[in-house]
Amino acid sequence: ILNVEQSPQSLHVQEGDSTNFTCSFPSSNFYALHWYRWETAKSPEALFVMTLNGDEKKKGRISATLNTKEGYSYLYIKGSQPEDSATYLCASLTTDSWGKLQFGAGTQVVVTP
Amino acid sequence: DAGITQSPRYKITETGRQVTLMCHQTWSHSYMFWYRQDLGHGLRLIYYSAAADITDKGEVPDGYVVSRSKTENFPLTLESATRSQTSVYFCASSKTGNEQYFGPGTRLTVT
Repeated sequence: ILNVEQSPQSLHVQEGDSTNFTCSFPSSNFYALHWYRWETAKSPEALFVMTLNGDEKKKGRISATLNTKEGYSYLYIKGSQPEDSATYLCASLTTDSWGKLQFGAGTQVVVTP
Repeated sequence: DAGITQSPRYKITETGRQVTLMCHQTWSHSYMFWYRQDLGHGLRLIYYSAAADITDKGEVPDGYVVSRSKTENFPLTLESATRSQTSVYFCASSKTGNEQYFGPGTRLTVT
């Protein structure tokens, strides 16, 4: 994998349902994987920074896992609420391109009541 | 604690004009970045700076100029604005080059 890719591009979830989506990233020279939450007309807000293979992070109903060997991360939203509606961005940081986060195009999540 | 601010928040300019977007951070972070929001691409890096007087190109630097004479400021100049530069521009800063904190964005329209 040469670039950071996110799938699906968008998804619609019923309130109360759980969902998850994927970020794939280059595994060579890996340093960290970032997840951001980006609401419309606002700026991206950091959710998680993960560095170790097998890392799991949790913030409220949102959690993330990391597999650095195969180059993927999952973000999970448990019991989705309308306020979870946002675009979720992942970004990869590598040791050979320090400081230059490589962003995926994002997964847009729409939670309907 | 003001954090990271951008000005102006909204700007309309004409094709061919020079326009400067300002970014200011109060954390004394070493790293600062300029991104543009592009449909289907998420955020794309224009320029970044690892310290005062050190700048480097990102993914889409053409048509833009940056400078960083002071740690806290990182202005982005569009030398001769084009319609393709209509976008939302985000500035970000980072202490170590890892976790980044974003400003509120500047919505630029080039007519």
